[in-house]
Formats: sequence, C-alpha cells, structure tokens
Amino acid sequence: GAGVSQSPSNKVTEKGKDVELRCDPISGHTALYWYRQSLGQGLEFLIYFQGNSAPDKSGLPSDRFSAERTGGSVSTLTIQRTQQEDSAVYLCASSLTPQGTNTGELFFGEGSRLTVL
Amino acid sequence: DQQVKQNSPSLSVQEGRISILNCDYTNSMFDYFLWYKKYPAEGPTFLISISSIKDKNEDGRFTVFLNKSAKHLSLHIVPSQPGDSAVYFCAASGGSSNTGKLIFGQGTTLQVKP
Repeated sequence: GAGVSQSPSNKVTEKGKDVELRCDPISGHTALYWYRQSLGQGLEFLIYFQGNSAPDKSGLPSDRFSAERTGGSVSTLTIQRTQQEDSAVYLCASSLTPQGTNTGELFFGEGSRLTVL
Repeated sequence: DQQVKQNSPSLSVQEGRISILNCDYTNSMFDYFLWYKKYPAEGPTFLISISSIKDKNEDGRFTVFLNKSAKHLSLHIVPSQPGDSAVYFCAASGGSSNTGKLIFGQGTTLQVKP
C-alpha cells in the first residue's frame, strides 16, 4: 500500500533479548519519526530523522535504544537487552517536510506492539 | 517535563451534542498545533491543525481554538457522532529545541453515546 508500513505488528520477547522493529515510510517523505505509547500513556517521542541531517535522538530513554535510517528511507529501531518496561506500542510516522520548516501532518503506521515477558 | 498536557483522560457526550476537548502547553515557542484521532489497533490520523498566527480554524464539524496568552487550545466537535468515539491527541511543534518534531499530549478518550 501507499501508507507507512511497520513490522512486525506484534512481538513477544523474553527479558534480556534484543529486538528490531522496522518502518517503511511513505515514498518521498523526508522526515521519519519513532514514538511509543505505553499502556494508558500518551505518545512519547523517541527519535526523528530529517533528510541527511543528524537525527534528533533526544527522546531515546536509554542507551539500549538506537535507530538508523538507511538510504533516507527504511528505518530500524533496535532495543537491546529488553526490559519489561519497554513493553509498548512503537509507532513510526513520516511526513513530507522540507528541512527547516515546521512539522506538517504526520502519517502514522499501525504500530508494532512489543511485549517483554 | 510534560510540555503538552491533556488533563481530562476521558469524556462522554450524547450524540448530537458538542464535544469539547482541551489541551494546555507550557512552551511559549510552540507555533503550530495539531489534533490527531486514534482508533484501537490503528495509528493516529491527522484531524485538524492551527498556526499560532490564527486563533480559530474550522473544518466541517471540527473547530480548533487557540488562546496563546493562556497557552490553551481546544477542539470542538459539533454535532458529535458515535463514529467520533476515539482517543484524541493534541500535539505541538516549534522552538529551536523541538525543530521538526511533534510533542504529543497524553490523549483524551471520547465516547459519543447514541
């Protein structure tokens, strides 16, 4: 489809394992975001990629979290040594935003639900 | 530090009546505000936005009001319909520390009763 695609849609893992979550943004969108929503909480900003600029990693909760965006398109969010508090829905979004302007409309994927046992 | 706050976790209204969802922010550098709607098991979808140079923006049944002096915005839905039942997120952007990214509130769950 033409929307933001995320995989896997559901992931159950054991505490201490590493996980990778993938995001395919809408073609041509220069900005890509990762957010997470923990149970009963709002959308927590994690990381933001804009074009070739250095990513804004200010929302990553610990050094166990990292993300990369290859070729300005697909992004992977990696969580090392997962903990139970990492359980959440991880949402990816993209936008058609020229560098330096205010954020426009974000298009979200359906999210990857992570459960850490 | 919660820069965008939605203090009402839930709201219930009767079909046909007005729904008013509120949002407060603390960062005076925010200059663009958006509302998103989220259904269960789906990603949030954009609903309506407003720039800080305006105090009102209307789109069909949805109107967003911005009060910059109070750092407050609200979303009015009139008339409310059962299909409007969802979680509504307020979001803001702007300022050198927030370049390009949206800061979201905690969300308000709206239930519209038939």
